[in-house]
Amino acid sequence: EAGVTQFPSHSVIEKGQTVTLRCDPISGHDNLYWYRRVMGKEIKFLLHFVKESKQDESGMPNNRFLAERTGGTYSTLKVQPAELEDSGVYFCASSTKGTRMGTDTQYFGPGTRLTVL
Amino acid sequence: DQQVKQNSPSLSVQEGRISILNCDYTNSMFDYFLWYKKYPAEGPTFLISISSIKDKNEDGRFTVFLNKSAKHLSLHIVPSQPGDSAVYFCAASYTGGFKTIFGAGTRLFVKA
Repeated sequence: EAGVTQFPSHSVIEKGQTVTLRCDPISGHDNLYWYRRVMGKEIKFLLHFVKESKQDESGMPNNRFLAERTGGTYSTLKVQPAELEDSGVYFCASSTKGTRMGTDTQYFGPGTRLTVL
Repeated sequence: DQQVKQNSPSLSVQEGRISILNCDYTNSMFDYFLWYKKYPAEGPTFLISISSIKDKNEDGRFTVFLNKSAKHLSLHIVPSQPGDSAVYFCAASYTGGFKTIFGAGTRLFVKA
């Protein structure tokens, strides 16, 4: 069974540019999460999809970030325009039950390292 | 407001000895706790979990202890092996909630 995959693995862009990150969850996982980790700090929740619906997007920093999950399969996270503080590692995770059900175990992708210059 | 805190950024242990990683939380609603392990250039991988109805869960060399009154949990690795060298994240969630909250991680070095 393939794990969670993310593309690209690394992206370097200039301030003001646009970047789109992609996540392919484990097949059959309805729950998909985006997280961000900045320079050795905590892994911070961004948002949670259940199938194609946004269950919780309270962690999205601002309206420069747009996440989509059309068809309930893969997801994209677009940052437009990118700012210096957006640099970090963006992780995607997927799961079957979802945190609302409790005892949810999430499977993480390898992350996309975003560097904004 | 960090609800899950790992106050030790790093820990160094000799091979064969016990590694103890600590985690404190502030939200009394949390009822499920997890530990994830992360190697460089990889995503976190699930290691072990514990429900709030228990105070201990064991899986091979890994044991997690939960002290609800102190809002504290710990991960014990016995015996520690060089391959255990990684960053360990403590995480928590609650039934009915929508997100899992992670700590900042503790980097474990196991010296051969």
